[in-house]
Amino acid sequence: NAGVIQTPRHKVTGKGQEATLWCEPISGHSAVFWYRQTIVQGLEFLTYFRNQAPIDDSGMPKERFSAQMPNQSHSTLKIQSTQPQDSAVYLCASSLRGLQDTQYFGPGTRLLVL
Amino acid sequence: GDQVEQSPSALSLHEGTGSALRCNFTTTMRAVQWFRKNSRGSLINLFYLASGTKENGRLKSAFDSKERYSTLHIRDAQLEDSGTYFCAAETGGYKVVFGSGTRLLVSP
Repeated sequence: NAGVIQTPRHKVTGKGQEATLWCEPISGHSAVFWYRQTIVQGLEFLTYFRNQAPIDDSGMPKERFSAQMPNQSHSTLKIQSTQPQDSAVYLCASSLRGLQDTQYFGPGTRLLVL
Repeated sequence: GDQVEQSPSALSLHEGTGSALRCNFTTTMRAVQWFRKNSRGSLINLFYLASGTKENGRLKSAFDSKERYSTLHIRDAQLEDSGTYFCAAETGGYKVVFGSGTRLLVSP
């Protein structure tokens, strides 16, 4: 079991560019979560999918952020027109069924927007 | 395995009163986070603590890694505080374990 896989591990973009982050959940897990982590805020929930369907995207910034799960083996988080305040570690987690099951996190993608 | 015991499972408060929620951990946790899930299902981030205490308005949270617990105190409860509260503890590595939640109902 490779655990949750996230790519890339590090990404540096210029202000205004687009960033796409990839997540491969643990095989057999039906729930995928996206979080943003900063030193100040800790983990901030962004969105989550269950059985590939978006369940709750209330944590997603309304502009520039979007997430998809086209199949059960991967999810993407896309940030358009990146801004310096988007710099953070973006974490993907998967769980067997949903919110109250243990979530297993990937190593994160460290995004730096210059 | 790593477990989080959250209590109480349900809590009823009258407006203006207060109480505390507690999470006990079976192992040493690196950090704890408290969330509130409102009636629309949204997860609201309340506190993130690696140690000590934090206060925000009528809410105050404490985390003692050595003693393996965290608390969330609510004072002067308001109707809009109603919802389900979760603690989530970070173990070493990339694992977060959620408590089972506390359903809070604040009534007039």
